[in-house]
Amino acid sequence: AQSVTQLGSHVSVSEGALVLLRCNYSSSVPPYLFWYVQYPNQGLQLLLKYTTGATLVKGINGFEAEFKKSETSFHLTKPSAHMSDAAEYFCAVSDPGNTDKLIFGTGTRLQVFP
Amino acid sequence: DSGVTQTPKHLITATGQRVTLRCSPRSGDLSVYWYQQSLDQGLQFLIQYYNGEERAKGNILERFSAQQFPDLHSELNLSSLELGDSALYFCASSERENYGYTFGSGTRLTVV
Repeated sequence: AQSVTQLGSHVSVSEGALVLLRCNYSSSVPPYLFWYVQYPNQGLQLLLKYTTGATLVKGINGFEAEFKKSETSFHLTKPSAHMSDAAEYFCAVSDPGNTDKLIFGTGTRLQVFP
Repeated sequence: DSGVTQTPKHLITATGQRVTLRCSPRSGDLSVYWYQQSLDQGLQFLIQYYNGEERAKGNILERFSAQQFPDLHSELNLSSLELGDSALYFCASSERENYGYTFGSGTRLTVV
């Protein structure tokens, strides 16, 4: 079964520093890949997605992610963190048996210090 | 406003009771998904409907049931509630396959 691993339940960075949130998936079949952000007391908001085509995907708020098939990874990055980036981030992959259905990782809480 | 509406936002109820959570998908979206978010289990897929028909079932307890109506809104019914059912319940909708979900703001259920 497809699974998603987000390394690091908590990541802390200084404002202006690089943000790197890691996501690995298990399927040998390239899935569709997503990153979502959840701010406190809110629903999840789509940051970016990879379905086909270019493996470097740009999303909202300056985030981007690169699909690396050989590493089964889809890490999320942002060159310079802002205080407003503090939130929980979820990586999600499509279920090979039902690509409408998404399987979510356990989330990474990003803290940004001034 | 994401376009996905969930009501109520908060619900406090006693053990053994039954509640109904409601979701109106974004206009034009045919698929509705229900997820449960808790601190210990993370985001767990419960069930998916597509245009009124059940499409996929996840870790949904037998005490829970759902349906999608002809106007595409969906309801999640939780019965014989236990303390462990306390969680955030999210509804999401999607336009088409692989498009990604649009989430509602959730219903926070507290069972006391």
